[in-house]
Amino acid sequence: DAGVIQSPRHEVTEMGQEVTLRCKPISGHDYLFWYRQTMMRGLELLIYFNNNVPIDDSGMPEDRFSAKMPNASFSTLKIQPSEPRDSAVYFCASSLLQDGYTFGSGTRLTVV
Amino acid sequence: GQNIDQPTEMTATEGAIVQINCTYQTSGFNGLFWYQQHAGEAPTFLSYNVLDGLEEKGRFSSFLSRSKGYSYLLLKELQMKDSASYLCAVRGANYGQNFVFGPGTRLSVLP
Repeated sequence: DAGVIQSPRHEVTEMGQEVTLRCKPISGHDYLFWYRQTMMRGLELLIYFNNNVPIDDSGMPEDRFSAKMPNASFSTLKIQPSEPRDSAVYFCASSLLQDGYTFGSGTRLTVV
Repeated sequence: GQNIDQPTEMTATEGAIVQINCTYQTSGFNGLFWYQQHAGEAPTFLSYNVLDGLEEKGRFSSFLSRSKGYSYLLLKELQMKDSASYLCAVRGANYGQNFVFGPGTRLSVLP
C-alpha cells in the first residue's frame, strides 16, 4: 500500500492565482480529511468526506476555498484566488470508521 | 465547544522517561489518539484509547481518564529520534469521524 498520496509536495504561487492540491486516499478507506497546519494555529480541519460526500465543511475559511471528491480514489482542494495568509502545509488524511487517520506527506504552499 | 491543552515544549535526556499530558473538554467523546510529528513530516499514529486505563506499546504507553478529561503519553528509554512534536487528538461523538487536534508538545531529547 502506497499510503495517502498528495501532490504537489511544494507549491509556490503568486497572490491571486488559483491553486489546486490533490489527494489519493488509501484504497478502501471511506473517510477523507483536509487539514491545514500553521505554527500559529496548529492543525485545523478544513473539510471531511464520507463515501465521497462532504460531511462537514465548517472549517473552510471562506468562499475562496472549495473541495471535491468525484470518486473514492481522488480529492482536490482548490483556492481561488490565493492570498499570502493561505501559506501553510495542507495535509490530506484518510481512515476507516473507528480507526486512526493516515496522513499524506502534505503540500507546503507558499503564496507570495 | 472544544478545548484541548498540552504543554508547548518539553526537554528530556536520552535514556530517561518523559510524560506528556493532555487535557480536553469536548462535547461528546469517542476516543483519544496520540500522533508523533517530526519536523517537516506528516503526523504518524502512535496510540489510541477509548476506555480508561493504560495502553502499552513497546517504549510508548498512553493513559486515559475520561472522568477527568485527561490523558498522558509516556515515553521510556528516550532516544534522540524521539525528538518531535506529539499531538493529542480527540474524536467527539457529535462530530462523526472528525478529530480535533491539540496544539502539540515539542519534545527535545538531549544527549
